[in-house]
Amino acid sequence: AQTVTQSQPEMSVQEAETVTLSCTYDTSESDYYLFWYKQPPSRQMILVIRQEAYKQQNATENRFSVNFQKAAKSFSLKISDSQLGDAAMYFCALGGYNNNDMRFGAGTRLTVKP
Amino acid sequence: SQTIHQWPATLVQPVGSPLSLECTVEGTSNPNLYWYRQAAGRGLQLLFYSVGIGQISSEVPQNLSASRPQDRQFILSSKKLLLSDSGFYLCAWRIPGYPDQFFGPGTRLTVL
Repeated sequence: AQTVTQSQPEMSVQEAETVTLSCTYDTSESDYYLFWYKQPPSRQMILVIRQEAYKQQNATENRFSVNFQKAAKSFSLKISDSQLGDAAMYFCALGGYNNNDMRFGAGTRLTVKP
Repeated sequence: SQTIHQWPATLVQPVGSPLSLECTVEGTSNPNLYWYRQAAGRGLQLLFYSVGIGQISSEVPQNLSASRPQDRQFILSSKKLLLSDSGFYLCAWRIPGYPDQFFGPGTRLTVL
């Protein structure tokens, strides 16, 4: 069974500072994908970043980067230069090779303070 | 470009009434389609997915069913709603062979 755990229900960061959101997962598959999704107050899920398990290099998308530790089954999201628009719920997700079975964590609510 | 629509956006239904939520995707062919439910303050739970017309896989046994009558249309139904069916329902699509799932705007369902 695939499981995803986000141990931080809430986090806060000062505008322009850096924050890291944690995620751990468990899977028996060798090929899989990890994702971070953002859910703003509108509640539409927005894909932030994706990491392929077979890639050693950490994914980066502008101010968003991940720290993927495959042996430790850890997948954290770093947001640099935080902006007010980054305030949202952030969900970590794990998908198998065909990704018809994506599993989500419980989410972390990020507050950005001006 | 591809877009995904869901309707209605909001729905309030009495217990025991039927349900039909619709999801359509534009700008792509033969997508994989997904229904998720999000309870208040929780993560997403996969309910159903479909890899083609008439092909439905159920992840969680429950009071709901899904159908895919057309290539880019995915419908979530119930014959008799329960209070526990309340939640936020999200539809998503994916291009086969690519990992990313893209979500629609969702439907907020309240069962009274």
